[in-house]
Parts: sequence; C-alpha cells; structure tokens
Amino acid sequence: IAGITQAPTSQILAAGRRMTLRCTQDMRHNAMYWYRQDLGLGLRLIHYSNTAGTTGKGEVPDGYSVSRANTDDFPLTLASAVPSQTSVYFCASSDTPQTPIYGYTFGSGTRLTVV
Amino acid sequence: RKEVEQDPGPFNVPEGATVAFNCTYSNSASQSFFWYRQDCRKEPKLLMSVYSSGNEDGRFTAQLNRASQYISLLIRDSKLSDSATYLCVVTAGGSSASKIIFGSGTRLSIRP
Repeated sequence: IAGITQAPTSQILAAGRRMTLRCTQDMRHNAMYWYRQDLGLGLRLIHYSNTAGTTGKGEVPDGYSVSRANTDDFPLTLASAVPSQTSVYFCASSDTPQTPIYGYTFGSGTRLTVV
Repeated sequence: RKEVEQDPGPFNVPEGATVAFNCTYSNSASQSFFWYRQDCRKEPKLLMSVYSSGNEDGRFTAQLNRASQYISLLIRDSKLSDSATYLCVVTAGGSSASKIIFGSGTRLSIRP
C-alpha cells in the first residue's frame, strides 16, 4: 500500500538522549516535511526538503536536524532531547512543494514524550 | 495576526444539519488551498482541494474568496462520522516548502 511509514509509533525518551525518528515514503514524491503538533498550536513545520539532497528550515527548527540522502527517506534527529520537544511528530510528502496536485500525504505520526 | 486563522470551535450541531466554517489567510500571494480532516489521535487526511471556481464533493462544498482572503467549507446533511477537526492549508506559491501554513483547526461535533 503506497504511503508514508513512520517509526517508532511512540517513544518515551530521557532528556539529553539522542533520537532519530524515521520516515519512509514509497510514492516517489519530491518534497517531504516534518511537522510537530501540539494542543492549541496546530501543525508547525520543523524542516522540509523540496527534493533529494536539499533541506530547509521551517518555523521551529531549533534542536532538530534532518537529512535527505535519497527520495524515499527523511529522518528527523533530536540531538539532545528536552521536555519541550514532547509532541506528536508527523512526516508528510507531496509530489511538488507548493502546488501539489494531490495535496500532502501524512504518516500516522510518532508520539514522543521527553522526561 | 496569524497567517492562517480558523475558529477553533467546537461547533456542536445535530445530525442532518448544515454547517459551515471559514478560514482566513493574510498572504494575498497564496496560491493553493486545501481542507484536511483530522480524527482524534490520527494523522490529517486530505478532504478536498479548493479551486478558484469552487468545488463540490458529495455533501461537501469548498469555496475560495480571494477578494476577502478566505476559504470556506460547507457540510450538508451532516453525519455522526463527520465529527472531527477540520484543518485548512494555505500555500504561498514559489518553489519552497517553507510557506505551507496549516490552520489550527476547527472542531466539529455532530450529535444524534
């Protein structure tokens, strides 16, 4: 089934630890995104990639890094987790960044709790 | 002012009612518009794109008003299964993904 796979589904992480959230898509979409969703704040863009080999900063990039070595994978790394990074993280993709014909497709999310 | 604003609701309406809500945006250069639906603890899913001429998909109608800079979503003959949060998405055009803005969502609750 075509779509986006995120792993893990949920995680409890000790503050100060490093963690990588995985995201893989099989739709050959050019653009990929990482969002965090917090109650009352909606979806906020962390990092994005318009195409393989390029990345950019979104609205809330501090404390996070990404890489886009190929079309399918877009991992998000928290170098040293802090409690304020407790959130639900969604990976998304689209055929093009700005005017996607079919909108944006989301993964099922990773619930991260930093203690 | 937020770039994209939605009434958070909740809208609590009886089954069978018609309900509508708007989403306003501040960037007049915005080019693409979408409505997404998000169920509790699930990922957002595309409900419909919003075209300049307006578009309809079954019980759902989306409209774009560029002059007043808002999009709307109308749901007719509402069903219990329509209960969800509805997010609007606005993109500013260009080649970068940095100008894709999600509204905070409008909660809709349909009661029997």
